[in-house]
Amino acid sequence: EPEVTQTPSHQVTQMGQEVILRCVPISNHLYFYWYRQILGQKVEFLVSFYNNEISEKSEIFDDQFSVERPDGSNFTLKIRSTKLEDSAMYFCATQDPPQGDYGYTFGSGTRLTVV
Amino acid sequence: GQQLNQSPQSMFIQEGEDVSMNCTSSSIFNTWLWYKQEPGEGPVLLIALYKAGELTSNGRLTAQFGITRKDSFLNISASIPSDVGIYFCAGQDPFGGGGADGLTFGKGTHLIIQP
Repeated sequence: EPEVTQTPSHQVTQMGQEVILRCVPISNHLYFYWYRQILGQKVEFLVSFYNNEISEKSEIFDDQFSVERPDGSNFTLKIRSTKLEDSAMYFCATQDPPQGDYGYTFGSGTRLTVV
Repeated sequence: GQQLNQSPQSMFIQEGEDVSMNCTSSSIFNTWLWYKQEPGEGPVLLIALYKAGELTSNGRLTAQFGITRKDSFLNISASIPSDVGIYFCAGQDPFGGGGADGLTFGKGTHLIIQP
């Protein structure tokens, strides 16, 4: 069964450092998303991406965050200057076009720890 | 923003019992999804509901999309130990703005099964 692959599985970084989280979407999916989950809390939407641009973003997705598809396959989330409160699981998700199977699939996540 | 109220927050049941959990929303969704999450993993889609009133089964799982489009329930029959995990409801208003809308998640129902 097709999978969404995320790397690294765990990243520890010092406050103020930049981090890049990577995702390889399912190959025929066109819509890409980032979510985060602070330990013990619900999953929260960050941003959606379609046709090489941001489609929607939440209040959490401020100027410290950015997304891109640098090479047509990877989908990345960059946090420019990490804060302690950025510590969370970050999930990538991808989705079929609306005419196909719904196929909203999550990756296994990257655990980001900011110290 | 949209809010989902999911209940119960946790359930302690005996193996073999049936389970029921539900979500209500202050606003309408066009799609309801139910996910299961296990420790250290991303959410895994269990059931997707696309039409008001729709009742869908996936093995021992049954979910319904409420007529008002503001609620959904998930039932698990004859629970087994591997059902343990956190179950999340999620709503999406897909492509309402011409782009890909993110999911709004409930806070989850933590299912614990005692042998």
